[in-house]
Amino acid sequence: GDSVTQMEGPVTLSEEAFLTINCTYTATGYPSLFWYVQYPGEGLQLLLKATKADDKGSNKGFEATYRKETTSFHLEKGSVQVSDSAVYFCALTLLYGQNFVFGPGTRLSVLP
Amino acid sequence: SQTIHQWPATLVQPVGSPLSLECTVEGTSNPNLYWYRQAAGRGLQLLFYSVGIGQISSEVPQNLSASRPQDRQFILSSKKLLLSDSGFYLCAWSVKVQGEDGHYGYTFGSGTRLTVV
Repeated sequence: GDSVTQMEGPVTLSEEAFLTINCTYTATGYPSLFWYVQYPGEGLQLLLKATKADDKGSNKGFEATYRKETTSFHLEKGSVQVSDSAVYFCALTLLYGQNFVFGPGTRLSVLP
Repeated sequence: SQTIHQWPATLVQPVGSPLSLECTVEGTSNPNLYWYRQAAGRGLQLLFYSVGIGQISSEVPQNLSASRPQDRQFILSSKKLLLSDSGFYLCAWSVKVQGEDGHYGYTFGSGTRLTVV
């Protein structure tokens, strides 16, 4: 079946460090890929998305590129801030699909 | 604008008591609606989804049920809560995003933290 694998963490970084959170997927069709962020005590917010191969999603300094050849959608940020501390979920949905498949989430803690 | 309301934000219930969580959507019609659960330290698990009034699909057999009495209302219920029902419950809705064929955007509510004691 369709699945998403991501590093579970927790990931602890110092402020201004470089961030990479790996995400790989398996899908029976051609998925759209997403990163969602969940701040403490809140619901999930869409961070960025990419709907076809080689697309780059970006938002708030975060970036991820849809790599079909490696079935990956790694999340990166050049300089993290304390306010980026949250849980990050990688997810996919199939073209015309109605349901999302989420990874287990990666907890990021950024220390001042 | 499109918004999603979910309540209550937190709930503490004794084992064996009933449950009713409500989710309503504004600013859109005929959305797909979803209930997810996030257990402590774990990922998201899809519980139910609905593509229309009275149409409910269950992903995980359990003592929970869902109903959609109106187009923009989705209710999660239980007759008797178990300790294992504790978790963070998220409602979400989706519609087809204009200009992106087949791509369903997804918007989450703020969640209900349920503790069964």
